[in-house]
Amino acid sequence: AQSVTQPDIHITVSEGASLELRCNYSYGATPYLFWYVQSPGQGLQLLLKYFSGDTLVQGIKGFEAEFKRSQSSFNLRKPSVHWSDAAEYFCAVGVYSSASKIIFGSGTRLSIRP
Amino acid sequence: DGGITQSPKYLFRKEGQNVTLSCEQNLNHDAMYWYRQDPGQGLRLIYYSQIVNDFQKGDIAEGYSVSREKKESFPLTVTSAQKNPTAFYLCASSIARDAGANVLTFGAGSRLTVL
Repeated sequence: AQSVTQPDIHITVSEGASLELRCNYSYGATPYLFWYVQSPGQGLQLLLKYFSGDTLVQGIKGFEAEFKRSQSSFNLRKPSVHWSDAAEYFCAVGVYSSASKIIFGSGTRLSIRP
Repeated sequence: DGGITQSPKYLFRKEGQNVTLSCEQNLNHDAMYWYRQDPGQGLRLIYYSQIVNDFQKGDIAEGYSVSREKKESFPLTVTSAQKNPTAFYLCASSIARDAGANVLTFGAGSRLTVL
């Protein structure tokens, strides 16, 4: 069965430090890959997506992610975090089948240390 | 501005009562979805609809019902059969029917608490 794993439940980084959030997926083919961000009590907003082509994709708010087929990973990175980046981040996999849907990971909560 | 409107934002329910959560979109999207969010569990799909008058069960449909009488609207009813309904509910839509390949646009969510 398809699945998405975000191994880090909660990460704290200092403002200005670099960030990497991990995401691993299990799927038989090359999936569609997404990262979404959620501020407290709000809906989710798309940060970036990968469908095909260049494996390094750029998103909004200075985020980027790299698709590594050999590692079944799609890690999210940012060179320098800002206090406003504190939120919950969800990795998601698009399953293309007769029951097409998006499968979400359990999320990583990001806190920023002043 | 186009978007998804969910109402109410907060809802309290007594045990044994049915409640209906509203979801309206003005994005002209074909597909609409309901997700349930619990702490530490991410988002789980309840129901989705790819076209008017048609919908499919997601992973956790038991105790929920939906309708899709209009393209713009996809209300969710949480019935008394749902054993643990306290959660944050998110409605989403996408431009095309193939859910796996499309960006989801989310509403701001509705928080349901059972007293």
